[in-house]
Amino acid sequence: GQNIDQPTEMTATEGAIVQINCTYQTSGFNGLFWYQQHAGEAPTFLSYNVLDGLEEKGRFSSFLSRSKGYSYLLLKELQMKDSASYLCAVRDLTGNYGQNFVFGPGTRLSVLP
Amino acid sequence: GAVVSQHPSWVICKSGTSVKIECRSLDFQATTMFWYRQFPKQSLMLMATSNEGSKATYEQGVEKDKFLINHASLTLSTLTVTSAHPEDSSFYICSASDLGSSYEQYFGPGTRLTVT
Repeated sequence: GQNIDQPTEMTATEGAIVQINCTYQTSGFNGLFWYQQHAGEAPTFLSYNVLDGLEEKGRFSSFLSRSKGYSYLLLKELQMKDSASYLCAVRDLTGNYGQNFVFGPGTRLSVLP
Repeated sequence: GAVVSQHPSWVICKSGTSVKIECRSLDFQATTMFWYRQFPKQSLMLMATSNEGSKATYEQGVEKDKFLINHASLTLSTLTVTSAHPEDSSFYICSASDLGSSYEQYFGPGTRLTVT
């Protein structure tokens, strides 16, 4: 089976840096995704890691350690518009059609002025 | 590119009626489509996965006779909620993936279903 864990809520200040952690247990790991979701909207893709290490994309970076079953999303220079839920999702080869996506519970980030 | 649309964006129906939600990939061929359900302040829960021309594979606990999924073409999948009840009120989101060229799944904008 699969198990994904994230902190439920986080608060940070505008302009600061925040790190959102994700731990997972899966039998057929085939990639980890981070999505941003504003209330009432569909998720939007942020990043994808399949190999160990750091992927940087502008103000967002994502890190993966497959041996530890651990990832984090790093948001720099926080802006008010970054207030949203951040979803960690794992693709599992043992799922249906070889690409079952399992989502973590999501972390609600509040950016304060 | 990689745009997925859903229709309707919101719907209100009476208890006992059926509602059909359409999911379309507009600029690519979606070999696989996923249907998710999301309750307030909760994460996405996968309901079913479907390949074009095949029967959908449902996740444990999802009633296949209640949530009918049809993936008739490479650009269209439909989810029909039959005999809807108030507890079916939720945010339904589809996503589409092209196994041939991308590791990513592209999400539709979601459909807000309210059953009265």
